[in-house]
Amino acid sequence: EIVLTQSPGTLSLSPGERATLSCRASESVFSYLAWYQQKPGQAPRLLIYGASNRATGVPDRFSGSGSGTDFTLTISRLEPEDFAVYYCQQFGSSPLYSFGQGTHLEIK
Amino acid sequence: QVQLVHSGTEVRKPGASVKVSCMASGNIFTGHYIHWLRQAPGQGLEWMGWINPNTVVTNYAQKFQGRVTMTTDRSLTTAYMELTGLRSDDTAVYYCARGAGYSSEHFDYWGQGTLVTVSS
Repeated sequence: EIVLTQSPGTLSLSPGERATLSCRASESVFSYLAWYQQKPGQAPRLLIYGASNRATGVPDRFSGSGSGTDFTLTISRLEPEDFAVYYCQQFGSSPLYSFGQGTHLEIK
Repeated sequence: QVQLVHSGTEVRKPGASVKVSCMASGNIFTGHYIHWLRQAPGQGLEWMGWINPNTVVTNYAQKFQGRVTMTTDRSLTTAYMELTGLRSDDTAVYYCARGAGYSSEHFDYWGQGTLVTVSS
C-alpha cells in the first residue's frame, strides 16, 4: 500500500514569504500526483495535477515539481488567502487513490 | 459555471443507512467519472469509489465494498451515494467530485459536501 507523507505538518510563515511543501510517496507514483488546498468549512480545491500542471484559474505563484517518490508544492510569495491546509494525492497504486495527511500553512 | 450541489445534513443511528445526493449544473458529468470521498472531523481525505455514469460501472475502495452503492439518475445530472450499516466512525463530510485526466487521476470539481453524523 502506498503511503504519502507530507512535511512539515505545520508551516508558519508570513505573507510575502516563500512556502515549500513536501510530499513523499513510499513507492513511485510516476507523475500521478495532485495538490489541493482546503480552507475551513470548504471543499478541497485542485491546484496542481500531473505533478506540475496548474489547474484552471490557479495563480502562477503556485507551482509543483517532482516525479517518482518526491514532490514539492511551492508558493512563491504568500498572499493572505493562501493560508490553509494542503493535501497531496496519488493515483494508480493500491489504494487506487490516497492522500497525504496534510500540511497546515499558518500565518506567523 | 460548474457547480456540484449536495443534499443537506443527515443524522442517523448506528446500523442505519444514508443516501447522499450530488446535483451537477449542466452536463458536466458527461465523459467523466464521479467520485465520492469523505473527511472525518479534523481528519484527512479518504476516497470511497467512483461511478462511470455512462456505463454505470462502479469501482469501490475495498474498505467500503459491501456497504456502499453509487448510482446516477438517467439524466446524468445527479449522483447518489448510499452507505449502509452506519457506525460512529462513519461520521464525516461526504463529497462528490468530478474525476479529470485521461484515467480520472485527480478531482477538478467538488461539491460542498454533506455532513453525516452517526450517533445513538
